Amino acid sequence: ELKVEQNPLFLSMQEGKNYTIYCNYSTTSDRLYWYRQDPGKSLESLFVLLSNGAVKQEGRLMASLDTKARLSTLHITAAVHDLSATYFCAGGRRGNKLVFGAGTILRVKS
Amino acid sequence: KAGVTQTPRYLIKTRGQQVTLSCSPISGHRSVSWYQQTPGQGLQFLFEYFSETQRNKGNFPGRFSGRQFSNSRSEMNVSTLELGDSALYLCASSLTAGGETQYFGPGTRLLVL
Repeated sequence: ELKVEQNPLFLSMQEGKNYTIYCNYSTTSDRLYWYRQDPGKSLESLFVLLSNGAVKQEGRLMASLDTKARLSTLHITAAVHDLSATYFCAGGRRGNKLVFGAGTILRVKS
Repeated sequence: KAGVTQTPRYLIKTRGQQVTLSCSPISGHRSVSWYQQTPGQGLQFLFEYFSETQRNKGNFPGRFSGRQFSNSRSEMNVSTLELGDSALYLCASSLTAGGETQYFGPGTRLLVL
């Protein structure tokens, strides 16, 4: 059964700094998602990664996928306070259920 | 285009009662998935419906059930509520079964006393 692990689970960053959140998964997953969740709110889709080597960028966030290493990363560039949220990665085989990681709580301090 | 809607948004029940939650997917989306989110267990998949048929089911007891109607709206039901059922219940819709992007609704926050 697919297991998805994120690290770190909590990340406190200074504004302007860079950091990376890691998402490892245990078995084959042909799709990898990144979601953002603000406190008390629902999940907002950030990126969908479907193939090995896929890289997607939106603003200060960039996600990549290495299917051979079973690893996805979410890189944050020059963090700003507005990026404070919980970030989830999720994976699964097409047609099967999504399995979520535990989430990474990101706090950006000014 | 309207997003995924869920009703009610908040609910308080007592142990032993049952509850029905509703989810209306984005227009044109035929797949609806349900998730339970708790601080201890995180986000856990409950079930997925496509064209009124349950396609996938998570590891939840039989007290959790769902259905989908011909207009793709979905309901989930929890019978004999337990304290541990207190959670945020999220539904997500996608165009196709196991669709590439799932769009989440605002959730229903259930508190069981």
